[in-house]
Amino acid sequence: NAGVTQTPKFQVLKTGQSMTLQCAQDMNHNSMYWYRQDPGMGLRLIYYSASEGTTDKGEVPNGYNVSRLNKREFSLRLESAAPSQTSVYFCASSPGTGAGGTQYFGPGTRLLVL
Amino acid sequence: EDQVTQSPEALRLQEGESSSLNCSYTVSGLRGLFWYRQDPGKGPEFLFTLYSAGEEKEKERLKATLTKKESFLHITAPKPEDSATYLCAVQTSGSRLTFGEGTQLTVNP
Repeated sequence: NAGVTQTPKFQVLKTGQSMTLQCAQDMNHNSMYWYRQDPGMGLRLIYYSASEGTTDKGEVPNGYNVSRLNKREFSLRLESAAPSQTSVYFCASSPGTGAGGTQYFGPGTRLLVL
Repeated sequence: EDQVTQSPEALRLQEGESSSLNCSYTVSGLRGLFWYRQDPGKGPEFLFTLYSAGEEKEKERLKATLTKKESFLHITAPKPEDSATYLCAVQTSGSRLTFGEGTQLTVNP
C-alpha cells in the first residue's frame, strides 16, 4: 500500500501564477484534508472533505480552492499564488466521515512563491 | 477556542536518558488526543490516539498518558533513531484537529 501520495514534491512559482497540488489515497478512506505547515505556526487546516462530493473550509481557506475528484483524490488549487503561500502542504486522510479522527499524512509538497 | 501547547520546544537527551514531553490543552469536550512523529522533510506519522483521562498506550520505547488537562509522551531509554519532532493534536466534539507546534527531540549517541 502506498498510503497517501502527493505530487509534486517541490515547486517554485512566481507571484500570480496558478498551480494544482494533487493528492491520492489507496486506503478507501472517506475523509481527506489539506494542511499547511509553517515555522512557529503548527499544522493548520485549509480545507477538508468529509465524504465524496462534499468540501468545507478549515482555518485558513483564503486563496485556495479544492476539488474532491472521487473517493481517492483530493486536489488543492492556488489560483493566483502569493509569497504568503510559501509553505509545506500536507494532504491527509481518515476512515471516518467527520472532520477529525485519526489522520494519515502524505509526504508533503514544498512550495516557494517568489 | 481550542488551544494546545507543547513543551519543551526542544529537548536534547543522551542515549538511554529517559524523559517526557508535555502536551497541555484547553478545550471543551475532548473527543480524542493524538500523538504524531515527524522526521525532517517528511509527513507526520501517526503514533497514538487517547480518548479519556487515565488511558495509556505504549509502542516500543514510547508511552502516552492522558489526564483531564494534559498528555505526556514518555520516552524510555531513547536511541538516536528516536530523534524527531513529536506533534500533539486534540479533537473536540464536531470539530477538526488542533495541532500544537511540536517538540523537537534530539538523542545523542
